[in-house]
Amino acid sequence: DAGITQSPRHKVTETGTPVTLRCHQTENHRYMYWYRQDPGHGLRLIHYSYGVKDTDKGEVSDGYSVSRSKTEDFLLTLESATSSQTSVYFCAIRQGQGQPQHFGDGTRLSIL
Amino acid sequence: GENVEQHPSTLSVQEGDSAVIKCTYSDSASNYFPWYKQELGKRPQLIIDIRSNVGEKKDQRIAVTLNKTAKHFSLHITETQPEDSAVYFCAASIVGRDDKIIFGKGTRLHILP
Repeated sequence: DAGITQSPRHKVTETGTPVTLRCHQTENHRYMYWYRQDPGHGLRLIHYSYGVKDTDKGEVSDGYSVSRSKTEDFLLTLESATSSQTSVYFCAIRQGQGQPQHFGDGTRLSIL
Repeated sequence: GENVEQHPSTLSVQEGDSAVIKCTYSDSASNYFPWYKQELGKRPQLIIDIRSNVGEKKDQRIAVTLNKTAKHFSLHITETQPEDSAVYFCAASIVGRDDKIIFGKGTRLHILP
């Protein structure tokens, strides 16, 4: 399995609080992605990164921000969490274009 | 942007029979099509992928076909086994334009004893 670690694996927090999820890779891959997975919606792209400090929006980016200050870490921040952001969040990495993605184990986030 | 439609959302087949999952994509420039399998509570894992310069690809009991004219691609699983029960996702991306990979909504496959 690709060296991807997501933290935390589970988190429960309250509406209005800030939340940061971390994705750490040991593969030195250029591309990193954040998805959310909800029943009936599959995997929806939130943000992705194509290099250090290079990021772009995905399909469902509202309410989320990201940062990538070094190759191995990609952070997803919910500035003010809402109940609609309760979901399972997956990080993925990819070596290059035309190559498959490899996913982390996911973070289950519950916002009460 | 790219949109990927996947059908059916749920599929039940008898053990030993074949299963077919179909996907369509909207952007004719899409040229890379991976398929992922996700078991309950686990991460999605790549099972097979195909590029637009190939019409079909096989790996043991799994095959994927691509029809670029119709903009659809399909996953075929033969001689299904209980361990094939999972959710399957198709996806599409455009190599050389951007780095996004857009997923279909998934098909839950049940293998009946």
